[in-house]
Amino acid sequence: DTGVSQDPRHKITKRGQNVTFRCDPISEHNRLYWYRQTLGQGPEFLTYFQNEAQLEKSRLLSDRFSAERPKGSFSTLEIQRTEQGDSAMYLCASSSKRASYNEQFFGPGTRLTVL
Amino acid sequence: GQQVMQIPQYQHVQEGEDFTTYCNSSTTLSNIQWYKQRPGGHPVFLIQLVKSGEVKKQKRLTFQFGEAKKNSSLHITATQTTDVGTYFCAEAGTALIFGKGTTLSVSS
Repeated sequence: DTGVSQDPRHKITKRGQNVTFRCDPISEHNRLYWYRQTLGQGPEFLTYFQNEAQLEKSRLLSDRFSAERPKGSFSTLEIQRTEQGDSAMYLCASSSKRASYNEQFFGPGTRLTVL
Repeated sequence: GQQVMQIPQYQHVQEGEDFTTYCNSSTTLSNIQWYKQRPGGHPVFLIQLVKSGEVKKQKRLTFQFGEAKKNSSLHITATQTTDVGTYFCAEAGTALIFGKGTTLSVSS
């Protein structure tokens, strides 16, 4: 399978704990995005990488959130001191600068539940 | 920030009926993309529209971009149970700005 993969698929944690999610994009894609989706809503943009550079961050990304893409391949999203409001599906997507449509390919997501 | 509004939020149809979802913006859109998300799944790209008045077809799906580039629609002819899911429009800039989606259910 050469699609976007995410790990873990589900995470249950207690309030105040730190969590880290991983995203492996499609191998030739240089652009990587993180989104958050809650029930009944469309995905909300969190942050964007081109290669290893984090080029844009949403105001939704509080200082408890940090994302990295150290070698321009996989990316991690860490949430520190989780709160119940962080419960959501965290989606990763990738795209290629060379694609004619700039379509984004989404991974299956990591569902986070904060108790 | 830029928002795209979608209506209706939910639509239930009998199999074989047509379905349309609308996407509206108060400002001019540079482009519009449509995605489909099946229940329990992730968004999957369907199409991108860029030109004013553009119309594109994919089998039973017809996508339109308004003349003023402030609205778009997705029309499905003769729905099937496989069309079930949530359809999102999004403006593609650095990232995607999604609407809230229209959830389609189909009964056979």
